[in-house]
Amino acid sequence: EPEVTQTPSHQVTQMGQEVILRCVPISNHLYFYWYRQILGQKVEFLVSFYNNEISEKSEIFDDQFSVERPDGSNFTLKIRSTKLEDSAMYFCASRQATNEKLFFGSGTQLSVL
Amino acid sequence: RKEVEQDPGPFNVPEGATVAFNCTYSNSASQSFFWYRQDCRKEPKLLMSVYSSGNEDGRFTAQLNRASQYISLLIRDSKLSDSATYLCVVMGQGGKLIFGQGTELSVKP
Repeated sequence: EPEVTQTPSHQVTQMGQEVILRCVPISNHLYFYWYRQILGQKVEFLVSFYNNEISEKSEIFDDQFSVERPDGSNFTLKIRSTKLEDSAMYFCASRQATNEKLFFGSGTQLSVL
Repeated sequence: RKEVEQDPGPFNVPEGATVAFNCTYSNSASQSFFWYRQDCRKEPKLLMSVYSSGNEDGRFTAQLNRASQYISLLIRDSKLSDSATYLCVVMGQGGKLIFGQGTELSVKP
């Protein structure tokens, strides 16, 4: 089965630093998403991306967050100035169409110290 | 009211038991429903979609009651390998998935 690839699997950073989480969605997919899961809590939607622009974002996705698809294969999530509460598992996901199965990557565990 | 609400759990059951998970959702306009499984610190994995007519996949049966905005998952003859967190998921606008808190299942020998 095709896979969504995320790197790194773990990222440790100091509060206030910028981080970029990277994802390679499945090659023929058109819809891209970021979700996060704080330890012990539910999986939360952050942002969806289609046709090179954000189609929807949650309240969590404030000005500190941005997404980019710089080269047609990578899909990145940038957090400009990390806070302690940004510590979570971040999952990238992609799908070919909105009524098709959503494929998740294995996640990046972000720890902000 | 939470968008997707599940039994709090955890459920601790012996091997071979039948276990049922319940879920309610708040948006009556929702059209697509799923059960996902999540193992500890791993990504959610699709277990099955849920259809109005109910659907079965081996030991797993999912039911949807639109009038009550209620979704269920039944696992028969539970195995040790069924131990995981089960996530009730509703599709929102634009294809985003809205997850419930999850119910942890532990199957003991």
